[in-house]
Amino acid sequence: NAGVMQNPRHLVRRRGQEARLRCSPMKGHSHVYWYRQLPEEGLKFMVYLQKENIIDESGMPKERFSAEFPKEGPSILRIQQVVRGDSAAYFCASSPPNPRETGELFFGEGSRLTVL
Amino acid sequence: AQSVTQLDSQVPVFEEAPVELRCNYSSSVSVYLFWYVQYPNQGLQLLLKYLSGSTLVKGINGFEAEFNKSQTSFHLRKPSVHISDTAEYFCAVKETSGSRLTFGEGTQLTVNP
Repeated sequence: NAGVMQNPRHLVRRRGQEARLRCSPMKGHSHVYWYRQLPEEGLKFMVYLQKENIIDESGMPKERFSAEFPKEGPSILRIQQVVRGDSAAYFCASSPPNPRETGELFFGEGSRLTVL
Repeated sequence: AQSVTQLDSQVPVFEEAPVELRCNYSSSVSVYLFWYVQYPNQGLQLLLKYLSGSTLVKGINGFEAEFNKSQTSFHLRKPSVHISDTAEYFCAVKETSGSRLTFGEGTQLTVNP
């Protein structure tokens, strides 16, 4: 049973370019979460999605950032017109259909974005 | 809203010594509590979790944690650490009625020979 798969693991972009990060949840999981980890800091919640629905995006920056989890395919975190401050590790996590009962989230290995 | 405070950002210890990583949380409702470990350039791996029942929770790699409701703490302990335990440790909290985890800032545990 494959875990949470994220790609690319490493991504380099120049300022002003777009970054797309993909996340495939664990088999049987229908909830996806994105977290950002800035250098030397903890993980900050960004967005929580179910298939075709954004449930909670209270942690998403108001501009340039968007996320989706389509009916088919992986969840995608999109960052437009990247700036140096976007350089971070972006982690995806997934949970089964009843996260309130099971508690934990299962994390991917992360995508490390470097903006030059 | 809930919050988590990890009281030590860095904890250096010698191999085979005991260690305690401290975590306090704040929430107005019931919570679940977690400890995750992150090795360099990797994702987060669950060490242990408290959902209900016994307040002493045992996890992987010989770690354990005790939930103390009156002190709103969930400290992580290991009686004898190994070099391989060197990693970043994150305490996290989730409201029992919610879905998202809130993390502390992390504690870097460094085990020296």
